[in-house]
Amino acid sequence: EVQLVESGGGLVQPGRSLKLSCVASGFTFNNYWMTWIRQAPGKGLEWVASITNTGGSTYYPDSVKGRFTISRDNAKSTLYLQMNSLRSEDTATYYCTRWEDWGQGVMVTVSS
Amino acid sequence: DIVMTQSPSSLAVSAGDKVTMSCKSSQSLFSSEYQGNYLSWFQQKPGQSPKLLISLASTRETGVPDRFIGSGSGTDFTLTINSVQAEDLAVYYCEQYYSYPLTFGSGTKLEIK
Repeated sequence: EVQLVESGGGLVQPGRSLKLSCVASGFTFNNYWMTWIRQAPGKGLEWVASITNTGGSTYYPDSVKGRFTISRDNAKSTLYLQMNSLRSEDTATYYCTRWEDWGQGVMVTVSS
Repeated sequence: DIVMTQSPSSLAVSAGDKVTMSCKSSQSLFSSEYQGNYLSWFQQKPGQSPKLLISLASTRETGVPDRFIGSGSGTDFTLTINSVQAEDLAVYYCEQYYSYPLTFGSGTKLEIK
C-alpha cells in the first residue's frame, strides 16, 4: 500500500521559516517525480514545487520561487519543502503527491 | 501561464442523473510529440485529499468507476459522470501539465439533491 505522510506544519510568524517532510512507502520512491500542492482554507489547489526523480531538477511558480526549496533524500524515501520568508498568503494545507497518490496534508499557518 | 477555466462553479443533481462539467484552457494542451492532451481531472471529497481520476484527458486511473468519462482535446475538455451516485459529492478540478507553471481550474462543486 502506497503511503505519503507529511509532517512539520504548524503556526509560524511572518518572515520565519518552516521545513515540511513527506515520508513515502509502498513504491520505489526514486523512480518518481514528486510534487507539493497547497490549498488555502476554503480555496482551490495551487502547485507549489516539483522535483525530478533524481533531484537533479526542480520547478517552482513565481509565487514561491526564491523562497521555497524542494529537495529529496532517495535513501530515506523522503521529500522535503524548505519554506523561507513566509507570508500570510502561504497559509494552507500542503500536500505531498506523486499525482496518483496523495498524502493527508499538513497545515501551515503564517500569522503573528 | 496557461489559465484553466471551469464551469459551472457548482451544480446540484439527483442520484442517477448524468452530469457534465467543462474545463477550458487558454492554450492548447495537445502535444504532437507525444500525441496526447496534458490534462488531468481530480476529485476532492469533503475533508479528504484530492484523488486523480483521469489523466491525458481521457485515461481513467485504476479503480475509478467507468461512469467517470473524460473527453476533449486542444483547449476544450469535459468530465462526464453517468448516473451520479451520492458518493460522488465532491469538488472536481482540472489541471494542465503541458507547461510550467502547472495550473488548476477553480473547481466545480457537485452537490447531490
